[in-house]
Amino acid sequence: NAGVTQTPKFQVLKTGQSMTLQCAQDMNHNSMYWYRQDPGMGLRLIYYSASEGTTDKGEVPNGYNVSRLNKREFSLRLESAAPSQTSVYFCASTKRAENEAFFGQGTRLTVV
Amino acid sequence: GESVGLHLPTLSVQEGDNSIINCAYSNSASDYFIWYKQESGKGPQFIIDIRSNMDKRQGQRVTVLLNKTVKHLSLQIAATQPGDSAVYFCADLGNKLVFGAGTILRVKS
Repeated sequence: NAGVTQTPKFQVLKTGQSMTLQCAQDMNHNSMYWYRQDPGMGLRLIYYSASEGTTDKGEVPNGYNVSRLNKREFSLRLESAAPSQTSVYFCASTKRAENEAFFGQGTRLTVV
Repeated sequence: GESVGLHLPTLSVQEGDNSIINCAYSNSASDYFIWYKQESGKGPQFIIDIRSNMDKRQGQRVTVLLNKTVKHLSLQIAATQPGDSAVYFCADLGNKLVFGAGTILRVKS
């Protein structure tokens, strides 16, 4: 029972490079979320997807795009990475908005 | 616009003492809250939840209190142990899953 799986676990990018962070859940959950967590700070919501085919901005969406590819997968794309995007990124999913969220193990991204 | 992150406050307690971690929320329509624990290098994990039709809910060594009048939550941990050292977040499961700022709990042996 994998739960929420994020890839990659670690990534180093140069400023201006692009990349996509992948997230997949095998729990048949409807809602999925992307967060960033800077050192010593809380989780900030980047984007979320309440259901397949819908996406909405969270607290800090600038510099990111997302795709809800299907019910299982929700990807986060950085088109032109900046050092300010150095962070740990967490993906989460819930069956409905009113349910407990399950988190992936995180992707540690460094932009140099 | 983008929010500015805040550095997390720290609560230091002696092993065996009780811990109280507080959280404020802003949406008066919110009706479901969860406390999460995040250990170093890991994603957040569920501790306990509470719905707005309750004032108090108890789990194993943990109690959550909800005061809707002042939009405040607290998490009480009884007989705090070294393994309780972590960052604790409250989350508002309204339309978006938005987290509170979090509190670092350090347990001194």
